[in-house]
Amino acid sequence: DAKTTQPNSMESNEEEPVHLPCNHSTISGTDYIHWYRQLPSQGPEYVIHGLTSNVNNRMASLAIAEDRKSSTLILHRATLRDAAVYYCILRDVNFGNEKLTFGTGTRLTIIP
Amino acid sequence: GAGVSQTPSNKVTEKGKYVELRCDPISGHTALYWYRQSLGQGPEFLIYFQGTGAADDSGLPNDRFFAVRPEGSVSTLKIQRTERGDSAVYLCASSPQSGTEAFFGQGTRLTVV
Repeated sequence: DAKTTQPNSMESNEEEPVHLPCNHSTISGTDYIHWYRQLPSQGPEYVIHGLTSNVNNRMASLAIAEDRKSSTLILHRATLRDAAVYYCILRDVNFGNEKLTFGTGTRLTIIP
Repeated sequence: GAGVSQTPSNKVTEKGKYVELRCDPISGHTALYWYRQSLGQGPEFLIYFQGTGAADDSGLPNDRFFAVRPEGSVSTLKIQRTERGDSAVYLCASSPQSGTEAFFGQGTRLTVV
């Protein structure tokens, strides 16, 4: 499985944008980039995913580098409820490889 | 609508005992996953079902662990002869079909004493 590298922790001020980086230099052509987050005492929650183009949804934006070896999850205006562990995961689209392989993620702290 | 439901939410058992953990996926979801999460770590894949069959059980740590999904809906994770190292939060997730967004339950916290 292709691996991802994320910073262990980040801090951000409330109501400011947050940029969470992820490196995936060994990504293959059939790997989608998925982001999940896990709030304290909760199961992981889907945030966003993409293949090549930048993606936007109600929760966040995903910016993917042109060579696809890195990506950035963007929270446009952080709130206290965004404090969580954020996981960047590569998921192969080929049948039989649907499992999500979590790393240790980035623990995001929001400062009021 | 209801999300993924896992029962019990907490389970304390003695070393050597047998336990069953239940997962009720979102209605109509054909894909179901089990994960295990130890403190400070990300979730670790155990097994994936597509319908009634286990499509990938490569994450099961040893033969004490077994999971079933007999009717393609509810799934049960079974652990025989529990060990203290089995203590963790066991997470279940389901997807409308394989490869799509996974919806996770709140997990079952298993403590083996």
